[in-house]
Amino acid sequence: AQKITQTQPGMFVQEKEAVTLDCTYDTSDPSYGLFWYKQPSSGEMIFLIYQGSYDQQNATEGRYSLNFQKARKSANLVISASQLGDSAMYFCAMREDPDSGGGADGLTFGKGTHLIIQP
Amino acid sequence: DSGVTQTPKHLITATGQRVTLRCSPRSGDLSVYWYQQSLDQGLQFLIHYYNGEERAKGNILERFSAQQFPDLHSELNLSSLELGDSALYFCASSLSRGNTEAFFGQGTRLTVV
Repeated sequence: AQKITQTQPGMFVQEKEAVTLDCTYDTSDPSYGLFWYKQPSSGEMIFLIYQGSYDQQNATEGRYSLNFQKARKSANLVISASQLGDSAMYFCAMREDPDSGGGADGLTFGKGTHLIIQP
Repeated sequence: DSGVTQTPKHLITATGQRVTLRCSPRSGDLSVYWYQQSLDQGLQFLIHYYNGEERAKGNILERFSAQQFPDLHSELNLSSLELGDSALYFCASSLSRGNTEAFFGQGTRLTVV
């Protein structure tokens, strides 16, 4: 079964609008981390935001925020006031606690969402 | 700039050959992870080193191996290369083994012809 599901293969959004990229995850480990990365056409993987499973508040980093709903196992990325430079692939990833016995050690990635910002 | 350096950026080689990819983690980071990104498999975790020791293996082929040196840089060795090994290979580093931010290098694009 997929551990990370990103249901939006592609999205078109008007510049300056807010964007929500969906991510749901599956784990039985109580300790895990959730990550979002941006991959522009140049190929590099840019870290955007991190949320720990025990964090009480939703993570925010500038225009990025993570809408963490633990009971629903969702970790949606919200980009406020989108810009043309936000056009890229966006990947949601999870890492289970390597010390919990059974969790994967590296990041498990979703298939990504291709976001295109239109002027 | 993530602070993680990968060399070379591009590599073209023939089937059956062996290549070495190099990664220098961010200053102070002890963990180095290697990932492969291909069109059919997506992003896959290959292997994790922490402070010089192998900690975990993911979907790494037996033809592939890695090591982390005392100065914490890491090398990924790919041998008996096949066309299907063509991919973008990333390394990422983080401060510890636990769940903290992980920063990626720019990747090495390997093309096997």
